[in-house]
Amino acid sequence: DGGITQSPKYLFRKEGQNVTLSCEQNLNHDAMYWYRQDPGQGLRLIYYSQIVNDFQKGDIAEGYSVSREKKESFPLTVTSAQKNPTAFYLCASSRLAGGHEENEQFFGPGTRLTVL
Amino acid sequence: SQQGEEDPQALSIQEGENATMNCSYKTSINNLQWYRQNSGRGLVHLILIRSNEREKHSGRLRVTLDTSKKSSSLLITASRAADTASYFCATDRYAGGTSYGKLTFGQGTILTVHP
Repeated sequence: DGGITQSPKYLFRKEGQNVTLSCEQNLNHDAMYWYRQDPGQGLRLIYYSQIVNDFQKGDIAEGYSVSREKKESFPLTVTSAQKNPTAFYLCASSRLAGGHEENEQFFGPGTRLTVL
Repeated sequence: SQQGEEDPQALSIQEGENATMNCSYKTSINNLQWYRQNSGRGLVHLILIRSNEREKHSGRLRVTLDTSKKSSSLLITASRAADTASYFCATDRYAGGTSYGKLTFGQGTILTVHP
């Protein structure tokens, strides 16, 4: 059963703590993405990776960090430097990583992070 | 400023009616995609239309693209209560013949279909 999994579904964090959100895919996709979604808003790109051991900042990377040590995994760390981390976080992957016409993205179910 | 902006922000209709949502964007694109999101869930890809296409169909979905006006519309025909969701357009920006590989999402249209 192929797809993208994210864990945990709900996450609570105290102010000043770092937390790591998991994203795993078994679709053999090269590209992976992290988005943030605030209530009633669209998605904003945090980080993306087009190949293992390489990643680029998106539009709102400050206060976040990522790694891409394996093709299947793209974890996101929300650091204490992120001033307003409460949001819904979505991970996605796509087969193509630029240079082609079609790059449909497949999304995980999301992680809802709440800072207490 | 938003690359993709949907209109209307919210749409409420009765089952069986058609629903039309519009999307405007600012820069040249490789393709434009529509996604659906049920409340509290991830997004699901619905349809992709390339910059050299004007219309595309998939089941009850019809998408049009007007690159001269930098706009697209999504029509859902014979709507059902199960179509209730948020719908987002996303643009794949053009970069001299290649794609950046990134999508820019609009803020979405919330569609409510009443039984």
